[in-house]
Amino acid sequence: DTAVSQTPKYLVTQMGNDKSIKCEQNLGHDTMYWYKQDSKKFLKIMFSYNNKELIINETVPNRFSPKSPDKAHLNLHINSLELGDSAVYFCASSHGDRVAAFFGQGTRLTVV
Amino acid sequence: GENVEQHPSTLSVQEGDSAVIKCTYSDSASNYFPWYKQELGKGPQLIIDIRSNVGEKKDQRIAVTLNKTAKHFSLHITETQPEDSAVYFCAAWGDSSYKLIFGSGTRLLVRP
Repeated sequence: DTAVSQTPKYLVTQMGNDKSIKCEQNLGHDTMYWYKQDSKKFLKIMFSYNNKELIINETVPNRFSPKSPDKAHLNLHINSLELGDSAVYFCASSHGDRVAAFFGQGTRLTVV
Repeated sequence: GENVEQHPSTLSVQEGDSAVIKCTYSDSASNYFPWYKQELGKGPQLIIDIRSNVGEKKDQRIAVTLNKTAKHFSLHITETQPEDSAVYFCAAWGDSSYKLIFGSGTRLLVRP
């Protein structure tokens, strides 16, 4: 059983399109995250949700909108995609804070 | 702001040798320090972590040391094997920002 699963694994789309990435965790965790990893491998947090409530919203364009329908899901919707949005996006979850986060396999987004 | 510096950015060792990766954090209130291994095409995977009330922790060939005074922590891998080749990330829980702050990563290559 996959603990944190993301779909799709690869996403190629044209500039200006709107796309969504889905994330589900079956670990019973109450906190979920979205991270962006750029071409230099740097990992930067975008959002953090605890029990469906937004806790962290980093300096991310408002074209990015997370949605958490329940504690086990945190989806990422991106409007008006730009070339600079190309990256690998990771979903993660944890049981509270100051503990290990478990990552999904990533979604490689390529905007052309 | 809070940050974590990680060195070296690349490390090449002969199989069987030891590898050491070092990190420095800025937030003196940080109290949780995980290490992640990221293999090609996969998400970061937790390999070991340490809390600020402990100076050292070992798990088979992997050990982590923490110097709170100097705000340094290090990952030590002994008897390296080719399958240890990956990108390694250190992280620190930023008490002020309430999030995990990652280092920039170390690409470890173990030569057979």
